Amino acid sequence: DAMVIQNPRYQVTQFGKPVTLSCSQTLNHNVMYWYQQKSSQAPKLLFHYYDKDFNNEADTPDNFQSRRPNTSFCFLDIRSPGLGDAAMYLCATSGRGLAGVAHFGPGTRLTVL
Amino acid sequence: GQNIDQPTEMTATEGAIVQINCTYQTSGFNGLFWYQQHAGEAPTFLSYNVLDGLEEKGRFSSFLSRSKGYSYLLLKELQMKDSASYLCAVRALPYGGATNKLIFGTGTLLAVQP
Repeated sequence: DAMVIQNPRYQVTQFGKPVTLSCSQTLNHNVMYWYQQKSSQAPKLLFHYYDKDFNNEADTPDNFQSRRPNTSFCFLDIRSPGLGDAAMYLCATSGRGLAGVAHFGPGTRLTVL
Repeated sequence: GQNIDQPTEMTATEGAIVQINCTYQTSGFNGLFWYQQHAGEAPTFLSYNVLDGLEEKGRFSSFLSRSKGYSYLLLKELQMKDSASYLCAVRALPYGGATNKLIFGTGTLLAVQP
């Protein structure tokens, strides 16, 4: 089945130790989003790609970077994780056209020790 | 900027009907989506509106009024499994931006009681 896959599902890192989260899709969608979701809060958009065009949100910390080497894969790099970066990180994709429903992966829960 | 508001929490009874409201202020509006999210899981798509009016999908319906910046999600014949967060999300092309983006509201936590 076509889907959005995130690895790993659970990631534990140490304060200040760089970490990379990955997202892959078999939907051939041109848009990929990264969201951060903390407990009892709505998903917060960090950035998104339209094809290879990168769109950063104004309030996304510089600590967060992203790469999209091809249509299928997208990475979220957290250069120096702080305790406040512990959250669920959600990847979503959407296709062309007016509907463009966003399909979410299962998320990666990041713990920072 | 964008502003999307929903009630924080709601409670309803099994078998009843509940309406969850969402108000938004945004430029470049390009569609409104409703998602369901159970605790610890990813959001799943429920409904979508781009034009004014009512969209019905089984027990779930969603309504949009673009002139009022208002939408609601209607859940009928409530079941215990409907206890979840319901997220309103707006897709918009920001002023000066090149691509649409999807921004979520604060979410409404619905508790269905027997």
